[in-house]
Amino acid sequence: DIQLTQSPSFLSASVGDRVTITCRASQGISSYLAWYQQKPGKAPNLLIYGASTLQRGVPSRFSGSGSGTQFTLTISTLQPEDFATYYCQQLNSYPITFGQGTRLEIK
Amino acid sequence: QVQLQESGPGLVRPSETLSLTCSVSGGIISYYVSWIRQPAGGGLEWIGRIHTTGGTNYNPSLMSRLTMSVDTSKNQFFLELDSVTAADSAIYYCARDSQGLDYWGQGALVIVSS
Repeated sequence: DIQLTQSPSFLSASVGDRVTITCRASQGISSYLAWYQQKPGKAPNLLIYGASTLQRGVPSRFSGSGSGTQFTLTISTLQPEDFATYYCQQLNSYPITFGQGTRLEIK
Repeated sequence: QVQLQESGPGLVRPSETLSLTCSVSGGIISYYVSWIRQPAGGGLEWIGRIHTTGGTNYNPSLMSRLTMSVDTSKNQFFLELDSVTAADSAIYYCARDSQGLDYWGQGALVIVSS
C-alpha cells in the first residue's frame, strides 16, 4: 500500500496567515493526489484534484502543487471558515489511501 | 445537482453483517461510487468502489468480508460487510468517485455492539 504522511499533524495559525501543509507519498504517484477539507460533523469536501486543479466552487486562496512523492496544499490568506482538518488522498494505485490528516486551529 | 444519501441500521451485533445503501440522484449515468469509513475521532479509510456496470475494486484489508453491488434501475449502491467487530464501528460514507471524491453523502453512523 502507498503510505501518505502529512506534516504537520497539527497547525495553529491566525486569520490572514499563509499556511502550507505537506503530503509525502511512500512511492511515486505522479499527480494522482487530491486534497479534502473536513469540518466537525460533516463529510469531507474536495478542494483539489490532480495535485493542482481547483475543484469548482472552491475559493482561489486554496492551491495545490507537487508531483511524484511530495505535494503541498497552500491557503494564501486564512479565513475563519478555513479552520478544519485537511486530508490528502492518493488515487494512483489500489488500495486508495489517505493521509492521517492535519488539524488547523485558530491561534 | 448530484446528491448521495446513505441509509441502513445504526446498530449491528458482533459477527453479523453490516448492510448499507447509497441512493444517488442528479441524473448522472456512468460513474463509480466509493465507500469510505471514519471511526470516531479518526481518519479516513477507503473501503472500495463500484461502477454502475458492476465492476469493483476492494481494499485488500477488507476484501474477504466485503461485497458491493448496484441496482442501476433505482440508482442505488449497496455495501455488505460480514462478521463485523467493534473495530468496524464508524461513520460510513458513500461518494461519487470521479477525479477525486467530488460528491459525498452525509454519512451513516454504524455502531457494532451486542
